[in-house]
Amino acid sequence: QITLKESGPTLVKPTQTLTLTCTFSGFSLRTSGVGVGWLRQPPGKALEWLALVFWDDDKRYSPSLESRLTITKDTSRNQVVLTMTNVDPVDTATYFCAHSEGRNMVRGGSTRVFDSWGQGTLVTVSS
Amino acid sequence: DIQMTQSPSSLSASVGDRVTITCRASQDISSYLTWYQQSPGKAPKLLIYAASILQSGVPSRFSGSGRGRDFTLSISSLQPDDFATYYCQQSYSALYTFGQGTKVEMK
Repeated sequence: QITLKESGPTLVKPTQTLTLTCTFSGFSLRTSGVGVGWLRQPPGKALEWLALVFWDDDKRYSPSLESRLTITKDTSRNQVVLTMTNVDPVDTATYFCAHSEGRNMVRGGSTRVFDSWGQGTLVTVSS
Repeated sequence: DIQMTQSPSSLSASVGDRVTITCRASQDISSYLTWYQQSPGKAPKLLIYAASILQSGVPSRFSGSGRGRDFTLSISSLQPDDFATYYCQQSYSALYTFGQGTKVEMK
């Protein structure tokens, strides 16, 4: 059974750096094809993908936030860490981490899905 | 960036109704379309991937169709647990953009 849990501060001041940790079990980030992503959801708004780290340490970032984000993995501790610099009140959101893997498609090729999610952690940015 | 547009933004329905939600991509994304369900206060749940493949454990009343730019999520007979918000998401560009969501409310 795959489980993920987000941890980090609930309140951050503007301009500070936010560090969130995703601790997972039930899978290994050494397994080919596996990734862990971070996504967020401002109150009452839609989901937004932020970053994804793969088993081979390849990393992808949302272009709109790339300059502020860093995602790293600690395979031995089963953790993935997201840092976001220079936070602003618009970064107030519930932050989720999620297990990601490739799935085969009917006509060939594969697509990446987020198939197991943490419960999320609400981060408020306010002075 | 690929933009995803869902319609409607919300709908009211009754238990037993057939419900259809559409999602349009700003460019051809082949079948790289995923649907998620999110109940209030909960994390999203994977429903359908590759436009039409049902995730294991998801009831067969859910179905997805489409290819290219236009996609549909259908619920054949709405059940009480289905009152939730539904999101489409593209994975064609590996930037994983979501639609704005469709809230299914009780009539």
